[in-house]
Amino acid sequence: KQEVTQIPAALSVPEGENLVLNCSFTDSAIYNLQWFRQDPGKGLTSLLLIQSSQREQTSGRLNASLDKSSGRSTLYIAASQPGDSATYLCASAAGNKLTFGGGTRVLVKP
Amino acid sequence: GAGVSQSPSNKVTEKGKDVELRCDPISGHTALYWYRQSLGQGLEFLIYFQGNSAPDKSGLPSDRFSAERTGGSVSTLTIQRTQQEDSAVYLCASSLDAREQFFGPGTRLTVL
Repeated sequence: KQEVTQIPAALSVPEGENLVLNCSFTDSAIYNLQWFRQDPGKGLTSLLLIQSSQREQTSGRLNASLDKSSGRSTLYIAASQPGDSATYLCASAAGNKLTFGGGTRVLVKP
Repeated sequence: GAGVSQSPSNKVTEKGKDVELRCDPISGHTALYWYRQSLGQGLEFLIYFQGNSAPDKSGLPSDRFSAERTGGSVSTLTIQRTQQEDSAVYLCASSLDAREQFFGPGTRLTVL
């Protein structure tokens, strides 16, 4: 059974610092890995999707890497802004469903 | 184009009542998923529909939970004889060919 872990559970940084969010998974037989953002009381917004054959994906200030052999993915957010404050979730896809980590709650202080 | 929509956004019900939650996927998306997000359990997969294939119900927590998808589009998640532990946010997602999933805003269910 796939298990996805995100550490730390919470993170607080001053504005302008780079953010590094970690995601680990136990079963490397994944189809893809997806990063989401969730604001309080809202649904999930897809940020980046990395196919199993890819090593990384980039979108603006966001960069996500994938290392299947070690069972890890990392989301980097450059030059953080207060508007980046949210919970970030990673999820691995295998078969028909996503298995989610517990999320990292991020606070970017002005 | 419109994203995934869900209704109602909030539902408060009494223990023992039945509830129906609705999901309208993105037009043209063949795959539809239901997930549940609760404080103690995080985000859990419930059920998956793909085209006309039999749904994957492996995540449904009990036989009080059921879902259907009519005409390959709208889906309804039904919870019979609700219990307090059913209180959660129910999220629906859709995707094209089972790739990137796009989520709706969720329905917050509170069982008193």
